[in-house]
Amino acid sequence: DVKVTQSSRYLVKRTGEKVFLECVQDMDHENMFWYRQDPGLGLRLIYFSYDVKMKEKGDIPEGYSVSREKKERFSLILESASTNQTSMYLCASSPPGLAVGTDTQYFGPGTRLTVL
Amino acid sequence: DQQVKQNSPSLSVQEGRISILNCDYTNSMFDYFLWYKKYPAEGPTFLISISSIKDKNEDGRFTVFLNKSAKHLSLHIVPSQPGDSAVYFCAASLNRDDKIIFGKGTRLHILP
Repeated sequence: DVKVTQSSRYLVKRTGEKVFLECVQDMDHENMFWYRQDPGLGLRLIYFSYDVKMKEKGDIPEGYSVSREKKERFSLILESASTNQTSMYLCASSPPGLAVGTDTQYFGPGTRLTVL
Repeated sequence: DQQVKQNSPSLSVQEGRISILNCDYTNSMFDYFLWYKKYPAEGPTFLISISSIKDKNEDGRFTVFLNKSAKHLSLHIVPSQPGDSAVYFCAASLNRDDKIIFGKGTRLHILP
């Protein structure tokens, strides 16, 4: 059974803190993604990775960085948290290439981050 | 500029009736379209998809229609059930690229 786990469901941090959000998948997927979901804005891609040690910027990478040292783990880092980074963060993974009806992105349960 | 648009933030439908969720896109190079469903406090889950070579794909109560000339797709749910109340995201990708572009979502309320 497909599984993507995220280290925390809820997190509260202070402005200026460094924040690590961890994501682990057990499906041996090459691709991993970090999104944030905000009301009225949908899912916006922050960063993604096609392979270990590879990363590419998504649509809103500013204020974030990522790390992919192992295939199963993709970390999102907020170097200096700000209040506008309060959001729901969703991690996803997928095998390479999309096939109709299968092999889509599998999402974790999300981390709701509040920055005070 | 938004490439995948869901212009209705919310939709209310009576239980048992048909729910129709709409989605428009701007990039004619998109060749693969997906719908995801999301409950509160959970990650999105894949619902149904369609390739640009088709105009319809059906899976149980869910049917996706694609009109390439209008750059429009829709998701039909028949009959609507209480468990269908969720946020539905339309998404698209380019040439089977691994990156998916999501719309803003439509919140569906199924009324008893």
